[in-house]
Amino acid sequence: AQTVTQSQPEMSVQEAETVTLSCTYDTSENNYYLFWYKQPPSRQMILVIRQEAYKQQNATENRFSVNFQKAAKSFSLKISDSQLGDTAMYFCAFMGDSSNTGKLIFGQGTTLQVKP
Amino acid sequence: KAGVTQTPRYLIKTRGQQVTLSCSPISGHRSVSWYQQTPGQGLQFLFEYFSETQRNKGNFPGRFSGRQFSNSRSEMNVSTLELGDSALYLCASSLGEGDTQYFGPGTRLTVL
Repeated sequence: AQTVTQSQPEMSVQEAETVTLSCTYDTSENNYYLFWYKQPPSRQMILVIRQEAYKQQNATENRFSVNFQKAAKSFSLKISDSQLGDTAMYFCAFMGDSSNTGKLIFGQGTTLQVKP
Repeated sequence: KAGVTQTPRYLIKTRGQQVTLSCSPISGHRSVSWYQQTPGQGLQFLFEYFSETQRNKGNFPGRFSGRQFSNSRSEMNVSTLELGDSALYLCASSLGEGDTQYFGPGTRLTVL
């Protein structure tokens, strides 16, 4: 069974600095999708970034980028120039390709606090 | 495009009752997935529907059921509510297999 592990329950960063959130996963599939979602206090789950496993290039979205290491089954999220609005819980999620369609497997989450 | 909507946003029920939650996906999305979020268990997959067919189901008791209508709107039902069913229920819609899921604001269910 696939699993997703986020080893950092809580992190904090100063405004304008850079922070990296860690995520590892376990799967026997070769093709799959990885995501980072953000859940602010409003509880609305918001997509941050998506990575297809068949793409070697790391995904980036403005201040957010990932370090995808397929062999190591690692998928970390880097937030540059942190802003107060980045304060939220961040979830790493896995979706298999053909197996378990429509099912996201989530990590336990990392609570990130951005300090002024 | 309008986002995913869920109704009601908040619900209070007592043990033994049943409840129905509704989810309207983004226009054009045919897949709807449901998740339960609790502090203890985190985010857990309930089931996924695509074109009115349940394609995938998580490890939840039969008290949890769902359906999808021809307009892709989905409902989930929980019968014989237990205290442990108190949770935030999230639905997400997508175009289909492998596509990104976009989440609604959730329904907060409290069982007393």
